Amino acid sequence: GEDVEQSLFLSVREGDSSVINCTYTDSSSTYLYWYKQEPGAGLQLLTYIFSNMDMKQDQRLTVLLNKKDKHLSLRIADTQTGDSAIYFCAETHNNAGNMLTFGGGTRLMVKP
Amino acid sequence: DGGITQSPKYLFRKEGQNVTLSCEQNLNHDAMYWYRQDPGQGLRLIYYSQIVNDFQKGDIAEGYSVSREKKESFPLTVTSAQKNPTAFYLCASSILGRSDGYTFGSGTRLTVV
Repeated sequence: GEDVEQSLFLSVREGDSSVINCTYTDSSSTYLYWYKQEPGAGLQLLTYIFSNMDMKQDQRLTVLLNKKDKHLSLRIADTQTGDSAIYFCAETHNNAGNMLTFGGGTRLMVKP
Repeated sequence: DGGITQSPKYLFRKEGQNVTLSCEQNLNHDAMYWYRQDPGQGLRLIYYSQIVNDFQKGDIAEGYSVSREKKESFPLTVTSAQKNPTAFYLCASSILGRSDGYTFGSGTRLTVV
């Protein structure tokens, strides 16, 4: 079955860039997503990328996709304390019936 | 504004009781999902439904039940058979055939007292 892996924890200083990494096993993945979860809240969709794209940029967020290595990353420029949260990557593929497979989440801590 | 609403935000259950968590969406989404999240853990799928009057078990369905009598509503009952129900429960919805992922509710925190 599909598997999506993330590192558990990342700590950065305010103003630095953060890079959160994700690997997946399903070579037929069509869309890959990044969600943000603040404490005690639901997940908020940040951005998503189609598998035929290498990169997508949206303000401070840059998504890079290396389809050959099945590696997805989310770069947050000029990280702020308000970016402290858990970040989940997720993927879906054509035969998934719209179902997403989520990684275990990466907790980002931003130090002032 | 359209959205997905979970209620209550906090719920306390005595041992041996059944409790029902509400999830309502006015997004006209076809599919709805229930996830469980334990502290420091990822999401685990409990049940999902892609059409009214039909639902499928997820990875951890034992001790839970659902219904989908209306497109807008997908309540989750945590039964007394669920031995460790204390967790954060998240409901989500999506449009079938679209690529824009799930919309999540704000969650219900269930505690056994």
